[in-house]
Amino acid sequence: GAVVSQHPSRVICKSGTSVKIECRSLDFQATTMFWYRQFPKKSLMLMATSNEGSKATYEQGVEKDKFLINHASLTLSTLTVTSAHPEDSSFYICSARDSLDGTQYFGPGTRLLVL
Amino acid sequence: AQSVTQLDSQVPVFEEAPVELRCNYSSSVSVYLFWYVQYPNQGLQLLLKYLSGSTLVKGINGFEAEFNKSQTSFHLRKPSVHISDTAEYFCAVTEGGETSGSRLTFGEGTQLTVNP
Repeated sequence: GAVVSQHPSRVICKSGTSVKIECRSLDFQATTMFWYRQFPKKSLMLMATSNEGSKATYEQGVEKDKFLINHASLTLSTLTVTSAHPEDSSFYICSARDSLDGTQYFGPGTRLLVL
Repeated sequence: AQSVTQLDSQVPVFEEAPVELRCNYSSSVSVYLFWYVQYPNQGLQLLLKYLSGSTLVKGINGFEAEFNKSQTSFHLRKPSVHISDTAEYFCAVTEGGETSGSRLTFGEGTQLTVNP
């Protein structure tokens, strides 16, 4: 099946620093990628929809200046958590949508811990 | 708007027993349906999907699901579970057709725990 990678798998950073997370579709092109946040023992919360070559669409309540999304190519989207604070600590998961049938394939997730 | 309800938050079963994880959805348009599995500290892995055609869908790891339009359900089943099936299972729905960028709506998840 289709493979989506995320890097890094886990990151620890100091409060106030910025962290970039990469999401790549390895064997298919994705015009649309999604970024989710997952709290412990909870379902996935959609943060934003990333479209190649255009601005991301953010969900209500998600600060676009805090979570910068760039989708510069058909296989890469990045999420940058700017000026991270401890409350941003979470599990971030991306997905890439296969244009052929709309199936979303998920990355392995990135565990972010802000100290 | 779509919604997904997973009726059981936790399902404990013994090894080699059959299991059914229930999923109901609501939508005013045709839908595509998915089941994903999430192991601890990992992303979601696609188990199976229903797009069109046969209502009985077979997936990986011996799982299958049946789309029932009249009952708006998409229950996941496995005739004999293994310890390794212990994980969180998510049902999800998106609008059918070629709608570009359609978002997934997830259920709250069902924790399947297989005991020896």
